[in-house]
Amino acid sequence: DIVMTQSPDSLAVSLGERATINCKSSQSVLYSSNNKNYLAWYQQKPGQPPKLLIYWASTRESGVPDRFSGSGSGTDFTLTISSLQAEDVAVYYCQQYYNTVLFGQGTKVEIK
Amino acid sequence: QVQLVQSGSELKKPGASVKVSCKASGYSLAAYTMNWLRQAPGQGLEWMGWINTDTGNPTYAQGFRGRFVFSFDSSVSTAYLEISSLKTDDTAFYYCARGTGGWYYFDYWGQGSPVTVSS
Repeated sequence: DIVMTQSPDSLAVSLGERATINCKSSQSVLYSSNNKNYLAWYQQKPGQPPKLLIYWASTRESGVPDRFSGSGSGTDFTLTISSLQAEDVAVYYCQQYYNTVLFGQGTKVEIK
Repeated sequence: QVQLVQSGSELKKPGASVKVSCKASGYSLAAYTMNWLRQAPGQGLEWMGWINTDTGNPTYAQGFRGRFVFSFDSSVSTAYLEISSLKTDDTAFYYCARGTGGWYYFDYWGQGSPVTVSS
C-alpha cells in the first residue's frame, strides 16, 4: 500500500512570509500513460470540512487564491503558500488517488 | 450552486445502528460519484469508499467492509451511509464528498455529521 508522509507536522510562519509543506509518497503516483500525478491538496479550518485547493499536483481549483501553488512529480510534492495570510491558518492534507485514496497525516500551519 | 447537506449529530450506544444522509443539489448527480470519509476526533482523514450514483454500485475501502453500507436514492438526490454494530471507535465526523473520476479528488464536501458512540 502507498504511504503518504507529510513534513513538517506543524509550522509557524510570519504573516506575508512563505510557507512550504512537503508530501512524500512511498510509491510514484505519476501515471505514465497520461503523464499526470494523482495528487491533491486540501485545507481544513477548525470546525469546517476540508476544501480542495490543488489537484493533479499543480492545478489550482477554481476560486483558490493564486498564493497557493502545488509542485512536484512522482513521489515528492510541495504545497507553497507564497505570502501567508491570517485566513490561511489551517491543517493541510495531501491525498493520493493513484491507488484508491490515502491522505497524509496533515500539517498544521500557524502564525508566528 | 453545488450543495451537499448532511443530517445532524447522532448519539448511539455500542451495538446500535446509525444512518447518515447527504442531500445533493445544484449539479447532475449521475455525472459524479459520492464518496464517504471519516475523521475521528483530532485525527486525519480516512476514505471509506464511494458509490456510483448512476448504477448504485458501492465500493468499500479496506477497513470499511462488512458493517458499512452506502446507498443512494435518486428520487430525492440523497446518499446514505449506514453503520451497524457500532463501536466506540466509530465516534467521528462523517463526510460525504463529490468525487471526480470515481474516487479521484473531492471538490465539494458536506458539512459533516458527527456520530458519537457511547454507553
